[in-house]
Amino acid sequence: DAKTTQPNSMESNEEEPVHLPCNHSTISGTDYIHWYRQLPSQGPEYVIHGLTSNVNNRMASLAIAEDRKSSTLILHRATLRDAAVYYCILRASNAGNNRKLIWGLGTSLAVNP
Amino acid sequence: EAGVAQSPRYKIIEKRQSVAFWCNPISGHATLYWYQQILGQGPKLLIQFQNNGVVDDSQLPKDRFSAERLKGVDSTLKIQPAKLEDSAVYLCASSLVMGGTGELFFGEGSRLTVL
Repeated sequence: DAKTTQPNSMESNEEEPVHLPCNHSTISGTDYIHWYRQLPSQGPEYVIHGLTSNVNNRMASLAIAEDRKSSTLILHRATLRDAAVYYCILRASNAGNNRKLIWGLGTSLAVNP
Repeated sequence: EAGVAQSPRYKIIEKRQSVAFWCNPISGHATLYWYQQILGQGPKLLIQFQNNGVVDDSQLPKDRFSAERLKGVDSTLKIQPAKLEDSAVYLCASSLVMGGTGELFFGEGSRLTVL
């Protein structure tokens, strides 16, 4: 089963960039890298996903290492509302692949005003 | 667009009692997931449906947990009898596609406390 490793916690200052790392050394060639975040008392919220190339959307950027064994979620300017637990997970691209998705403990991001 | 709806938001029961949670996914989403999230941990997949068929229930404790999605739309997760260790948030999620390109949309969850 695909597994990811993230730091337990990180801290940032408001309006500064934040780089959240994730290691996924057992990734297979067809696994997509997904990032979700969970605010207190809410369900997880999709942030971004990618396969090989770096990706940008309105929320964040995803930088994927060339060997795909690690990735970094980049929040360009942290706000207080970005304080959450960030999860990095792998999803098989094959719709018929029932390999379990394993969510780790995620990274708890604190943003200082 | 309406999100994933779950009810009840909170439930307190005593051990050995039963409880049921309901989920209505986003319209048109064929894939539905039930997750269990214990405090301080990441979500753990319990069961995955594709339309009204079960794709993966390998982590569902079948002696006490059951889930159904009879018409391929809304779903019910039942626990009978409940144990203290079942105290958790039960999250329902849906996605348009089952594969890795599809993002998951989560409901707010149903928080269960077993006394």
